[in-house]
Amino acid sequence: AQKVTQAQTEISVVEKEDVTLDCVYETRDTTYYLFWYKQPPSGELVFLIRRNSFDEQNEISGRYSWNFQKSTSSFNFTITASQVVDSAVYFCALINTGFQKLVFGTGTRLLVSP
Amino acid sequence: DGGITQSPKYLFRKEGQNVTLSCEQNLNHDAMYWYRQDPGQGLRLIYYSQIVNDFQKGDIAEGYSVSREKKESFPLTVTSAQKNPTAFYLCASSIVSGTYEQYFGPGTRLTVT
Repeated sequence: AQKVTQAQTEISVVEKEDVTLDCVYETRDTTYYLFWYKQPPSGELVFLIRRNSFDEQNEISGRYSWNFQKSTSSFNFTITASQVVDSAVYFCALINTGFQKLVFGTGTRLLVSP
Repeated sequence: DGGITQSPKYLFRKEGQNVTLSCEQNLNHDAMYWYRQDPGQGLRLIYYSQIVNDFQKGDIAEGYSVSREKKESFPLTVTSAQKNPTAFYLCASSIVSGTYEQYFGPGTRLTVT
């Protein structure tokens, strides 16, 4: 069975602080894909990143960075110098190559105050 | 602009009535999906379709029905058999079904009283 755990229900930070959102996953498959999505107050999920299980290189995109560690089954997401516009619910998700279901974590609500 | 359209944004119905949620995409994606989101929970898959005229049940299909007569459209009907229909419904699409990222519409918030 596949499972994604986002233990942090809600995180509050002040603008310009760095923040890390944790994601731990469980799967028996050797080939799988991990995703992060952002859900702003408007409700629409916005795709942020897709990473396959064979690529453990960390990735940086502007203020966003992702740390994928197969040894700990984690795919953590860090926002550097947070901004108020980063306030949203962030979801981590997992899918295996057999498809057919994208398994979501319960999400982490990030509140960035000015 | 390419994207996914869901209408309406808010929908109110009386208990016992069927209601159909619209989902249209102009991304030329083959696969489409319906998810349900409840407060404090992740998304749960209701139905998905990999190709026109074909669809499969997800984890919580009971009380829901879908059709896929056109590549661009994947409407979801919430029937009176759905015991707790009040929720936020999200439609998504992807190039093909599988490991590709899914793109989501703005969602429809359904309230049944």
